[in-house]
Amino acid sequence: KQEVTQIPAALSVPEGENLVLNCSFTDSAIYNLQWFRQDPGKGLTSLLLIQSSQREQTSGRLNASLDKSSGRSTLYIAASQPGDSATYLCAVTTNKLIFGTGTLLAVQP
Amino acid sequence: DTGVSQDPRHKITKRGQNVTFRCDPISEHNRLYWYRQTLGQGPEFLTYFQNEAQLEKSRLLSDRFSAERPKGSFSTLEIQRTEQGDSAMYLCASHPVRGLRSPLHFGNGTRLTVT
Repeated sequence: KQEVTQIPAALSVPEGENLVLNCSFTDSAIYNLQWFRQDPGKGLTSLLLIQSSQREQTSGRLNASLDKSSGRSTLYIAASQPGDSATYLCAVTTNKLIFGTGTLLAVQP
Repeated sequence: DTGVSQDPRHKITKRGQNVTFRCDPISEHNRLYWYRQTLGQGPEFLTYFQNEAQLEKSRLLSDRFSAERPKGSFSTLEIQRTEQGDSAMYLCASHPVRGLRSPLHFGNGTRLTVT
C-alpha cells in the first residue's frame, strides 16, 4: 500500500531564507509526483508536476526534485516571502493521487 | 477552461440530515475524483469515475455515501444520515483526456459542518 510522508509537519522561517520541504513515498511505481499549495480554507493549487522519468522541475523560485528509486522528493523554495505562507502538499499518482499530510509553512516578515 | 466548480461552498446541517454536493469538472475531462480533507490532514481519496463509470471506491466511503456521474459530465456526492464525523472539506478534481501523466485540477471544495 502506497504511503506518503512529509517532513517537517510545520516550519517557520524568516523572510528571505531558502528552505527545503521533504516528501517520501513507499512504492516507486508511480506515474508522477505533484506538489500543491493550499491556503487556509481553500482548494489546492498545483505548483509543479514531475514525471516519473524526470529528475526535477522548476517554476520561478520553486524547484522540485524526484528520486524515484529512493522514494523521495524535495521542494526547494528560494528567497522565501510572507506570501509563501501556506500548507504544501505532495502527492504521488498511481491510478489516483495519494497525498501526504502536508507541511505548514510560515514565513515571518 | 473555467476550472472545476463545486457547489455549495459551505453547508451546515444537523446530524441525521442528508446532504448532496455537486461537482462540475473541466469540460471534456473524462476522469473525476472525490476527496475528503479534515483539518491538518492531506486529502483522502473517496472515489473516482471514468466517464459515467465508477471505477474505484475507498473503504472510507461507507454505505451512507453515494456518488454518481450519470452522463459523464457533472457528479454528485450524497451523504445520508450525516454524522459529526462527516464534517470535512469535500474536494472534487478532474483529469484531462491525456491521462494520468498530466496534472489533476481541483475545485475549491465544499466545507461541510455537521452540528
